[in-house]
Amino acid sequence: GEQVEQRPPHLSVREGDSAVITCTYTDPNSYYFFWYKQEPGASLQLLMKVFSSTEINEGQGFTVLLNKKDKRLSLNLTAAHPGDSAAYFCAVSASNNAPRFGAGTKLSVKP
Amino acid sequence: DTTVKQNPRYKLARVGKPVNLICSQTMNHDTMYWYQKKPNQAPKLLLFYYDKILNREADTFEKFQSSRPNNSFCSLYIGSAGLEYSAMYLCASSMPIYAEQFFGPGTRLTVL
Repeated sequence: GEQVEQRPPHLSVREGDSAVITCTYTDPNSYYFFWYKQEPGASLQLLMKVFSSTEINEGQGFTVLLNKKDKRLSLNLTAAHPGDSAAYFCAVSASNNAPRFGAGTKLSVKP
Repeated sequence: DTTVKQNPRYKLARVGKPVNLICSQTMNHDTMYWYQKKPNQAPKLLLFYYDKILNREADTFEKFQSSRPNNSFCSLYIGSAGLEYSAMYLCASSMPIYAEQFFGPGTRLTVL
């Protein structure tokens, strides 16, 4: 079955710096990709969903890159601010299959 | 309302005793999931319901049961809790199965 590896487990950056979180997956049939953000004490909330047909997706203050050849998904926060401090999880699924998650990255953004 | 509710939020159980956790959603989603989350580990898929069809993961098949009496409710049942069941249990729903999931706040189960 699908295996998802997420790195790094912990990441600490200064305000204004960039932060990059990466996931690799094993199932070549994976087609749907997700990034979730979990703030302390809160539920996982969707940050962005990506379909296999799109390699670059931009959100507010971040970019998601999908490299299908290398089976790698990355979340790039371009200029992190303290409000970005949270746990981030990637999730991957093939059609008609439940998403599988990475182990998460705890991001800390210091002023 | 995009809320997924879970009850209870905290559960203390004794080794060998049963545990029943409840999840509900009012978004009319056809798929509901249960994940087990331990510290520093990925949320592990235990099972999911697509409509009335239950799909259980092979490695947890014997350990967890579930029921979905209607579209809105889904339960997770542990017949005999062991220490290794101590974890956060996350319920989620989506429609369709590969779409964005909506998560509940989780139930923290502690087995003593």
